[in-house]
Amino acid sequence: QQQVKQSPQSLIVQKGGISIINCAYENTAFDYFPWYQQFPGKGPALLIAIRPDVSEKKEGRFTISFNKSAKQFSLHIMDSQPGDSATYFCAASNSNSGYALNFGKGTSLLVTP
Amino acid sequence: DTAVSQTPKYLVTQMGNDKSIKCEQNLGHDTMYWYKQDSKKFLKIMFSYNNKELIINETVPNRFSPKSPDKAHLNLHINSLELGDSAVYFCASSLGGSKPQHFGDGTRLSIL
Repeated sequence: QQQVKQSPQSLIVQKGGISIINCAYENTAFDYFPWYQQFPGKGPALLIAIRPDVSEKKEGRFTISFNKSAKQFSLHIMDSQPGDSATYFCAASNSNSGYALNFGKGTSLLVTP
Repeated sequence: DTAVSQTPKYLVTQMGNDKSIKCEQNLGHDTMYWYKQDSKKFLKIMFSYNNKELIINETVPNRFSPKSPDKAHLNLHINSLELGDSAVYFCASSLGGSKPQHFGDGTRLSIL
């Protein structure tokens, strides 16, 4: 069963705009929430990650917001660039599953010039 | 130098055949994984190994058998290939726990 729900499925943003991708989870035992970026023909690459004791984490143009009570987290990409066009996956994991990643279904982001 | 390398990159074969995919990491990690990405890009964990020992097998048919000869290698052998096995298979490695997982570039398996 899908343990992490991700939306939207696809997103088109103009250059310079803000891209927002949302994820929700049910398993309260999850304690690690990474975001991965995947380009065509390549493997997923870690973008940024957060733990539930923190409500926000920022790295450059990428920010994760985390709402533990709502069991939701989101990725914000500020000043989106055409080079950001890729598929983004949220994921969740915990020690019960050896930290194997439970992925969302992915969001295909297109940033137009 | 490629951190996590998979061979072959493409594998085209017929139903019923047996095939293997190799994975090697040069990052010094002790935990390795196999994930399957289907045609809709959904990624799902198949196996996880720590120090050559299996720690996760996510209801994968027993036609799939991972083999870890040492900490740097985790190979995937598939018997009696079926049409539904067509997918991209990704190997990943990490230092274990919630440390970042590094993925290879995948092996695209196509069953005719």
